[in-house]
Amino acid sequence: EVQLVESGGGLVQPGRSLRLSCVASGFTFDDHAMHWVRQSPTKGLEWVSGINWNSESIAYADSVKGRFTISRDNAKNLLYLEMNSLRVEDTALYYCVKDKDAWVTGRFDKWGQGTRVPVS
Amino acid sequence: QSALTQPASVSGSPGQSITISCTGTSSDIGGFDHVSWYQQHLGRAPKFIIFDVTHRPAGISNRFSGSKSGNTASLTISGLQTGDEAFYYCSSYSSTSALYVFGTGTQVTVL
Repeated sequence: EVQLVESGGGLVQPGRSLRLSCVASGFTFDDHAMHWVRQSPTKGLEWVSGINWNSESIAYADSVKGRFTISRDNAKNLLYLEMNSLRVEDTALYYCVKDKDAWVTGRFDKWGQGTRVPVS
Repeated sequence: QSALTQPASVSGSPGQSITISCTGTSSDIGGFDHVSWYQQHLGRAPKFIIFDVTHRPAGISNRFSGSKSGNTASLTISGLQTGDEAFYYCSSYSSTSALYVFGTGTQVTVL
């Protein structure tokens, strides 16, 4: 069974940094692109960033470009999101999401339970 | 980036069919066949139910079907069941800087 378990969330002040992690199991991690998607009552679902299977192709939403960095460690089945210069509007539940394919296609076929990041 | 537009709520009786619309532009829905749909029960993570406009992932009931016309995609749920009560979100690839955009979400109520 596919499992995606996020960690690293928590209350953080504006301007500070936080690193989210996601450990994957139940599938061949390096056969799939991965994403971070966030959800908040004010903005709904918002795609944040995606990374292909070998980290050669990475993309970010404009709202986080230059502040957030996505990365992965295929040897450890881990996905990361380094978040710097956090803003109040980054407050959300952050989901680790598996892509159906090795390249970033936006077919978000499995989601973790999310980790909360309140910025205040 | 602008979200795709969905009706806030749709309701139907058990056994009926309902359709949820998702309206975008020629830069997203109208320009590409990369529309997906997700079901989210309260307090749970979204679940992948339709991809590439019309395709169902393995294990998804054939009561769920997708279509597209112009800049609007649609999700139809036939034979409505109480377990279908949830929020439904569309998403699409976008040629704008957003890359992937989601809909505003539709709450489905079974009367």
